[in-house]
Amino acid sequence: AQKVTQAQTEISVVEKEDVTLDCVYETRDTTYYLFWYKQPPSGELVFLIRRNSFDEQNEISGRYSWNFQKSTSSFNFTITASQVVDSAVYFCALSERGGGTSYGKLTFGQGTILTVHP
Amino acid sequence: EPEVTQTPSHQVTQMGQEVILRCVPISNHLYFYWYRQILGQKVEFLVSFYNNEISEKSEIFDDQFSVERPDGSNFTLKIRSTKLEDSAMYFCASDRPGEDMNTEAFFGQGTRLTVV
Repeated sequence: AQKVTQAQTEISVVEKEDVTLDCVYETRDTTYYLFWYKQPPSGELVFLIRRNSFDEQNEISGRYSWNFQKSTSSFNFTITASQVVDSAVYFCALSERGGGTSYGKLTFGQGTILTVHP
Repeated sequence: EPEVTQTPSHQVTQMGQEVILRCVPISNHLYFYWYRQILGQKVEFLVSFYNNEISEKSEIFDDQFSVERPDGSNFTLKIRSTKLEDSAMYFCASDRPGEDMNTEAFFGQGTRLTVV
């Protein structure tokens, strides 16, 4: 069975600090997808990134970067020079390729509440 | 950009009442999902729907829940007799596998259900 663990329940930083959100996953599949979603106080889920299990290249998008390490089953997310608007709950999620019945089903971690203070 | 839309955004219902949550998935998508998020907790999978039938459901999705795609555009979640513990945010999502079978579920903005 698949599992996603976000060990950090809450993180509090001051604006302009860098912050890394940890995500560790478990899966028996060799083909899977990893995601990060942001949930602002308004409640919607905002898609940030998808990574497939064959692509271990790190990715950078503006102030966001992701570090995918299959050897440690981790997919960590770093925000550089954090801003107050980054305050939200961040969820890591896993989808096994699974074929017809479980295609696209996401297993979410518990989420990390990030608070960025001015 | 196409999006998944959910109505209503907030519904209050009395315990024991039936409630129907509605979703309009993205038009060319083939897979449809409902997820639930109890306040302060993680997002949990409820059910997936493909080819006009349930393809997978979680243990949360008991006989009180049902899903339907009545007219080829809407995708509904019905809770037959609501309980206080059904209070949660319910997210609809839809998906269409790409050529490389990758997946990216598109989520609606959610319906907050409050059972009183």
